[in-house]
Amino acid sequence: GNSVTQMEGPVTLSEEAFLTINCTYTATGYPSLFWYVQYPGEGLQLLLKATKADDKGSNKGFEATYRKETTSFHLEKGSVQVSDSAVYFCALTATAGGTSYGKLTFGQGTILTVHP
Amino acid sequence: DSGVTQTPKHLITATGQRVTLRCSPRSGDLSVYWYQQSLDQGLQFLIQYYNGEERAKGNILERFSAQQFPDLHSELNLSSLELGDSALYFCASSEDPHGRNSPLHFGNGTRLTVT
Repeated sequence: GNSVTQMEGPVTLSEEAFLTINCTYTATGYPSLFWYVQYPGEGLQLLLKATKADDKGSNKGFEATYRKETTSFHLEKGSVQVSDSAVYFCALTATAGGTSYGKLTFGQGTILTVHP
Repeated sequence: DSGVTQTPKHLITATGQRVTLRCSPRSGDLSVYWYQQSLDQGLQFLIQYYNGEERAKGNILERFSAQQFPDLHSELNLSSLELGDSALYFCASSEDPHGRNSPLHFGNGTRLTVT
């Protein structure tokens, strides 16, 4: 079956530090990969996505590259801000045997706290 | 604002009871998804509807059921509630029936507490 594994958190950084949140996956078919962010008290928002191997998704200074050879989709940001404090979820949706699956399989989430 | 509306925001009820959670999708979206977020299980897909028909099923218990109405709003019914059903229930919508090429837009969730 499909699964997503994220690095365990929580992650605590100082403002302007470099961020990496690791994500690896197992999937049948040809997955699309996503990073979603959840701010306190809110629903999940799509941060970025990549739909095929070697694609790079980027948004708001965050980047992630779809690496098929290592089945990874690590999230990076060069300089984090206090406002980036949130929970980050790696997710995939996959097709198998010609049948499309609309459901997302999520990782367990990584709590990021950024201090001034 | 994602455009997805969920009501109520909070729900507190007792074991054995039945509740209904409601979701209005973003304007124009035909697909509705339900997810459960709990501390022990994380975020889990429950069920998807597309234009009124069930499209995909995940880890949804038999005590739970859902439907999507002609006006595209959806309801998730939870019955014979147990303490372990306490969780945040999210609804999401998408214009894409397969959820592959267009993102899901999530509501802010309904927090269910079973006492």
